[in-house]
Amino acid sequence: DSGVTQTPKHLITATGQRVTLRCSPRSGDLSVYWYQQSLDQGLQFLIQYYNGEERAKGNILERFSAQQFPDLHSELNLSSLELGDSALYFCASSVAGHSPLHFGNGTRLTVT
Amino acid sequence: GIQVEQSPPDLILQEGANSTLRCNFSDSVNNLQWFHQNPWGQLINLFYIPSGTKQNGRLSATTVATERYSLLYISSSQTTDSGVYFCAVFPQGSGYALNFGKGTSLLVTP
Repeated sequence: DSGVTQTPKHLITATGQRVTLRCSPRSGDLSVYWYQQSLDQGLQFLIQYYNGEERAKGNILERFSAQQFPDLHSELNLSSLELGDSALYFCASSVAGHSPLHFGNGTRLTVT
Repeated sequence: GIQVEQSPPDLILQEGANSTLRCNFSDSVNNLQWFHQNPWGQLINLFYIPSGTKQNGRLSATTVATERYSLLYISSSQTTDSGVYFCAVFPQGSGYALNFGKGTSLLVTP
C-alpha cells in the first residue's frame, strides 16, 4: 500500500459530461501529481501542486483542471468529456522537489 | 524534452530465468525510479536510484548517471513478476515532472 488514496476506482460516464477525481496524498507529503495513462500515449504528466500552489504543468487539456486544498487533498476535474479521455488516471505524491513519487491505484475512466 | 528509452519493449521468460532491463536517458537527471505495473494496473515503486546500485530481494538496479543509463536485474523470475516495468526520470533544471519511458512488458511463463 503506497498510502496514496484515489477515489473512485472506476467511473463510467457519457460524452459531454463532467467528472471529478479525488486524491489524498501520503501523510506528510506536500506535492501531488496527476498522470494520465492511455494505451497509445503511455504515462503522461498532467499537472503538479505543491502545498496548494500549482508548480508544474504538462500535457493537460484546457477542459481539465485541478486544485489542491488546504488539507492537501487534490481533485482533478475533467469536463466536456470525449471518448479519447478514456484512460487510467493516477495521482502520486512526494515530500517535495525531486524526492520519490508514490502512486495511488488509479481511477479507470471510461467515456461512452 | 528529455528522452527515456527502454529496452527490450517485450520479454517472455520461463520461470526461474534471469533478465536485464535497460533504460537510457538523453540528459542529466536528478532522480530515477523504477516501477512495476502489475496486471491490475497498480504502479509499484521498485527503486529510487539516481546513481549507484541497490538490491531488494531478487531485484537489483544500477544507475550510471554519467553515462545516462540504468539497469534493472530480475533474478530467478516468478510468474508474479509479469507486468510492465517502467523507468522514470526527473530531468535536471526543468521543473518537477517525472518523465516515463514506454516500458518493458514482461511475461513469465510457468
